[in-house]
Amino acid sequence: GNSVTQMEGPVTLSEEAFLTINCTYTATGYPSLFWYVQYPGEGLQLLLKATKADDKGSNKGFEATYRKETTSFHLEKGSVQVSDSAVYFCALSKSKTSYDKVIFGPGTSLSVIP
Amino acid sequence: EAGVAQSPRYKIIEKRQSVAFWCNPISGHATLYWYQQILGQGPKLLIQFQNNGVVDDSQLPKDRFSAERLKGVDSTLKIQPAKLEDSAVYLCASSYALGREGRYTGELFFGEGSRLTVL
Repeated sequence: GNSVTQMEGPVTLSEEAFLTINCTYTATGYPSLFWYVQYPGEGLQLLLKATKADDKGSNKGFEATYRKETTSFHLEKGSVQVSDSAVYFCALSKSKTSYDKVIFGPGTSLSVIP
Repeated sequence: EAGVAQSPRYKIIEKRQSVAFWCNPISGHATLYWYQQILGQGPKLLIQFQNNGVVDDSQLPKDRFSAERLKGVDSTLKIQPAKLEDSAVYLCASSYALGREGRYTGELFFGEGSRLTVL
């Protein structure tokens, strides 16, 4: 079946450090891939997405590239801030219609210290 | 635009009691989801509605959980009787059937969640 695997956390970084959170997926065909973020006390919100191979999603300084050959969608940011402290979820959706569910990974907690 | 509304935000009950959660999606969103998020895990889909019809309820424990979306707008998720392992955050999300470009965007809009503690 379809699934998403993420690197285990928690991840603790100093401010301005480089961030990578690994995500790999298992799915047939060409799923759409997403990163969602959950800030403390808030609901999940979409951070970025990519819908086809080699697409790069970007938002708020975060980037992720859809790599079909390695079935990966790693999240990166060049210089993290304290405000980036949150839980990050990688997710996939198989279909291009609304009838297919979105499957989430287990999440990776990030803490950024000043 | 108003976001997804959920209530109550917090609920504490004894095992074997019942509880109900309410969700009002973003206006115009045809698809509504209920997810269960256990501490330290990713959200797990319980049930997905398209308008007032069920699209996927394969992971809903139907002996104790039920959900409805009678008029294709707001929705209620009920647990009866509750077990200790039902302690979790229950997330409601909604999405467009089709995005503004006429294609499914894949973006889910989440509420803040309802945190259930079963003692």
